[in-house]
Amino acid sequence: SAVISQKPSRDICQRGTSLTIQCQVDSQVTMMFWYRQQPGQSLTLIATANQGSEATYESGFVIDKFPISRPNLTFSTLTVSNMSPEDSSIYLCSVEDTGADTIYFGEGSWLTVV
Amino acid sequence: QKEVEQNSGPLSVPEGAIASLNCTYSDRGSQSFFWYRQYSGKSPELIMFIYSNGDKEDGRFTAQLNKASQYVSLLIRDSQPSDSATYLCAVTNSGYALNFGKGTSLLVTP
Repeated sequence: SAVISQKPSRDICQRGTSLTIQCQVDSQVTMMFWYRQQPGQSLTLIATANQGSEATYESGFVIDKFPISRPNLTFSTLTVSNMSPEDSSIYLCSVEDTGADTIYFGEGSWLTVV
Repeated sequence: QKEVEQNSGPLSVPEGAIASLNCTYSDRGSQSFFWYRQYSGKSPELIMFIYSNGDKEDGRFTAQLNKASQYVSLLIRDSQPSDSATYLCAVTNSGYALNFGKGTSLLVTP
């Protein structure tokens, strides 16, 4: 299975600031996905990131708030901009493993906004 | 709105029993179905996936899919206290962008 590393694993952020989360995969993948899991909730897809094209955002998520980069086939970043306490969540990167025809998640980035 | 529904639980079963976790989905175009386990403070861990109607077994786990009824389930045989976690059902109709249910909390009591 793909090995997915996320940084930071945890952070406490001040209201109004921005934080960039990194996702590194140990193999080349076509699609990478960013999810959010708010406290006590399930996972919600934020956007799909394909290398060489703009990310595709789900309803309720916008590029100005969650800009995404995908510079190559093994790396992506998600920025949470102008954070508020409502952004306190776990942010998870996931990738498809076409060989296994399934999907794996990184360890997640736990963000607390104060 | 494409919905994935799960009973939030908690579902409590004694050690050694069979735990049955259920999931229904609204999108008839759904093609792939996944079960993830999530321990508190951890990220989701893939347990199984299933694409075709019927049963798929992997060790103590069996996934069951009935597309006509839009229903997918996960059976855990010989449940252990270490199986206590939240189980997430996820569905996709194309590609690998998943639509998750809210999860079922399972408690296996010694």
